[in-house]
Amino acid sequence: EDQVTQSPEALRLQEGESSSLNCSYTVSGLRGLFWYRQDPGKGPEFLFTLYSAGEEKEKERLKATLTKKESFLHITAPKPEDSATYLCAVQARKAGTALIFGKGTTLSVSS
Amino acid sequence: DSGVTQTPKHLITATGQRVTLRCSPRSGDLSVYWYQQSLDQGLQFLIQYYNGEERAKGNILERFSAQQFPDLHSELNLSSLELGDSALYFCASSDNSDIRSSGANVLTFGAGSRLTVL
Repeated sequence: EDQVTQSPEALRLQEGESSSLNCSYTVSGLRGLFWYRQDPGKGPEFLFTLYSAGEEKEKERLKATLTKKESFLHITAPKPEDSATYLCAVQARKAGTALIFGKGTTLSVSS
Repeated sequence: DSGVTQTPKHLITATGQRVTLRCSPRSGDLSVYWYQQSLDQGLQFLIQYYNGEERAKGNILERFSAQQFPDLHSELNLSSLELGDSALYFCASSDNSDIRSSGANVLTFGAGSRLTVL
């Protein structure tokens, strides 16, 4: 069964304190791995798609990396506005195009 | 604004009732997906439609049904509502549902409909 597990469930950082979020996955043929950001009461907002092991993508203070079993979302020198829930999802080849999501990591950045 | 429109934003109803949630996809997107988000389960895939036809089913209860109309908007019908159906319901759309495509396609989500069953 295709599965996505994210850790930690919650993470509290001070402004400027860099850290990483983990996403472990098992999937029968990876079509793509996705990172989304979700603010309270709002819909998930797309951040990155990674397709193959070794791939990296960056956007401002965020950098996503992918191995054959996990993905990391690195947050460098975070700011309070980076506070949100970060969701990881996989798209499996046999499952069509629906995304299978992990439960997310809720990040709080204090100034 | 993501371009995916969901109505209503909030809905409060009683157990045993039936409700309909509506979604208009982004212009040009042929696929619509429905997801349920509760505090303990996270985002759960319910069902996908592509150009009017059901394409994939996830963890959708028999009390729930959906359809996609010729103008590509979609409706999710929830009946015989129970307290446990209280959740955020999200619609997402994408422009590519070809299972044979080698590329991954991005889902764009709406703002959601919050359902409260009392």
